[in-house]
Amino acid sequence: GAVVSQHPSRVICKSGTSVKIECRSLDFQATTMFWYRQFPKKSLMLMATSNEGSKATYEQGVEKDKFLINHASLTLSTLTVTSAHPEDSSFYICSARDHRAGGFYEQYFGPGTRLTVT
Amino acid sequence: GQQVMQIPQYQHVQEGEDFTTYCNSSTTLSNIQWYKQRPGGHPVFLIQLVKSGEVKKQKRLTFQFGEAKKNSSLHITATQTTDVGTYFCAGPGTGKLIFGQGTTLQVKP
Repeated sequence: GAVVSQHPSRVICKSGTSVKIECRSLDFQATTMFWYRQFPKKSLMLMATSNEGSKATYEQGVEKDKFLINHASLTLSTLTVTSAHPEDSSFYICSARDHRAGGFYEQYFGPGTRLTVT
Repeated sequence: GQQVMQIPQYQHVQEGEDFTTYCNSSTTLSNIQWYKQRPGGHPVFLIQLVKSGEVKKQKRLTFQFGEAKKNSSLHITATQTTDVGTYFCAGPGTGKLIFGQGTTLQVKP
């Protein structure tokens, strides 16, 4: 089955620093990857859609200058949380679509990254 | 905008009891997907329904897509502790999936 990895799985950083999270599709190519944020016992909040070779599409209310997304290849997308603050602490999950899927939108999720900003 | 609503938000059942979560969309869907997220884990795809009135089964799980393709349900027969987790439905939006709020199932042994 399709596998998506995320790195790191956990990260603790100090307020004001930047953190980069990587999302990789391991056995398929993904023209589109998605970045979600999930608060405890809450639903998935889509932050942005990452398209290979083009700019990410951000959801309303998500600061693109704070959450930098780069989708440099068909297997890698990165999310950088810049100048992190404690309110950025959350569970960040990426997902990817197999580019051969066509109209089938099944998404494969990464294991998530737990970010804690102190 | 397009919305996908899910109820209930939480459900506590005794092991062996049945469980159902309901999903309603504000618009007609071309398909609906269901995902399960175990505590501490990430969402995992369960199934996709495409046809009006479609019913699919996976062991003790029964998935149904409404005739109008605006609602769906997931029914678990005789729950087990391994069924614990949050179940999300999701419908296709413009280039993305629109997720429901999820139903968190707790099973008391």
